[in-house]
Amino acid sequence: GENVEQHPSTLSVQEGDSAVIKCTYSDSASNYFPWYKQELGKRPQLIIDIRSNVGEKKDQRIAVTLNKTAKHFSLHITETQPEDSAVYFCAASGYSTLTFGKGTMLLVSP
Amino acid sequence: EAGVAQSPRYKIIEKRQSVAFWCNPISGHATLYWYQQILGQGPKLLIQFQNNGVVDDSQLPKDRFSAERLKGVDSTLKIQPAKLEDSAVYLCASSLLGTSPNEQFFGPGTRLTVL
Repeated sequence: GENVEQHPSTLSVQEGDSAVIKCTYSDSASNYFPWYKQELGKRPQLIIDIRSNVGEKKDQRIAVTLNKTAKHFSLHITETQPEDSAVYFCAASGYSTLTFGKGTMLLVSP
Repeated sequence: EAGVAQSPRYKIIEKRQSVAFWCNPISGHATLYWYQQILGQGPKLLIQFQNNGVVDDSQLPKDRFSAERLKGVDSTLKIQPAKLEDSAVYLCASSLLGTSPNEQFFGPGTRLTVL
């Protein structure tokens, strides 16, 4: 089955800095890569996703890149704000079954 | 539109007891998922339904866990008997049915504590 590795497990940045979270996947058949944000005690919410026919996708301060050859994808957050503090999960899917990474706790200090 | 609903939000039981969780997906979403999220980890899929049929239950501990979605809408997940290691948040999610993966919408979860 699919295996998703996520790094780092914790990331601390100053407000205004950029943050990058990286994930690798094992199944070359995976073609859908969402990123979820989960605030403490709340449900995971989709923030951005990318499909395998696209190399990069942006949405305001958030961008995701995908390298199918290397089987890795990354989340980039620019101009971080304290409200970006949360746990971020990457995931990979071949059809509809999602396999999640272990998460990255992002801490943005004012 | 209304989101995914789950109940109860919290449950505390003793080991060897049984427990059941309920999920109501977003209207029109044919696919329903149950995930287990242990503290500090990502959600792990337990079972996936498409309408009232099971698509994937490869990671469901079938000796103690069961799930059903009889009318293709609401779903229940049961644990009997519970073990200490079942302490986790149980998340239900739903998505539209399509030829490619679609966004999964998560419910608020049920936090289970097994003593």
